[in-house]
Amino acid sequence: GAVVSQHPSRVICKSGTSVKIECRSLDFQATTMFWYRQFPKQSLMLMATSNEGSKATYEQGVEKDKFLINHASLTLSTLTVTSAHPEDSSFYICSASLGEAQETQYFGPGTRLLVL
Amino acid sequence: GENVEQHPSTLSVQEGDSAVIKCTYSDSASNYFPWYKQELGKRPQLIIDIRSNVGEKKDQRIAVTLNKTAKHFSLHITETQPEDSAVYFCAASKWGFKTIFGAGTRLFVKA
Repeated sequence: GAVVSQHPSRVICKSGTSVKIECRSLDFQATTMFWYRQFPKQSLMLMATSNEGSKATYEQGVEKDKFLINHASLTLSTLTVTSAHPEDSSFYICSASLGEAQETQYFGPGTRLLVL
Repeated sequence: GENVEQHPSTLSVQEGDSAVIKCTYSDSASNYFPWYKQELGKRPQLIIDIRSNVGEKKDQRIAVTLNKTAKHFSLHITETQPEDSAVYFCAASKWGFKTIFGAGTRLFVKA
């Protein structure tokens, strides 16, 4: 149980375009979902915490107008990278947790974004 | 702010030896400490966790110890195998707050 899917797994886009990444909890309802960015050989950098039905909470230094997060249902959160630039190229991983404790996180497989 | 320090950043062991990864946390209110394993290009996966009311937990070749007074917790892998090679992340959290991850330890198990 506790499976999280993420789509697409890999995307290549031109500079200036927007890219949407979906994160779904397949067999449980996720009150809270998290979006991380991971650079090569580095740790997980939390970008934002997404709660169903409310606005996402962004970490310091993360542009909310650049990285739009929508958590429309208890099983789906989306991250849209708007007007992507090469420096946005990275590995984006979502995770979901059960309940309000936000303890154990179940990670999606990640999306590798390459902006040309 | 809250911080989790993890050491070493890289660890190389011979197959069959033990591996130990150590973490320290700054927030004394933290009460949940998971460990995640991430293979190259894959998602992090929970391998073991411990809560603050427990000092030690074991699951086959993997064990975690917690010293609340010193705010230390450690991951112990015995009889290492090549498939244990991966990046391991420790983390600390408290109820209702975000999880703070360590920087990760790259473990190499040489056959």
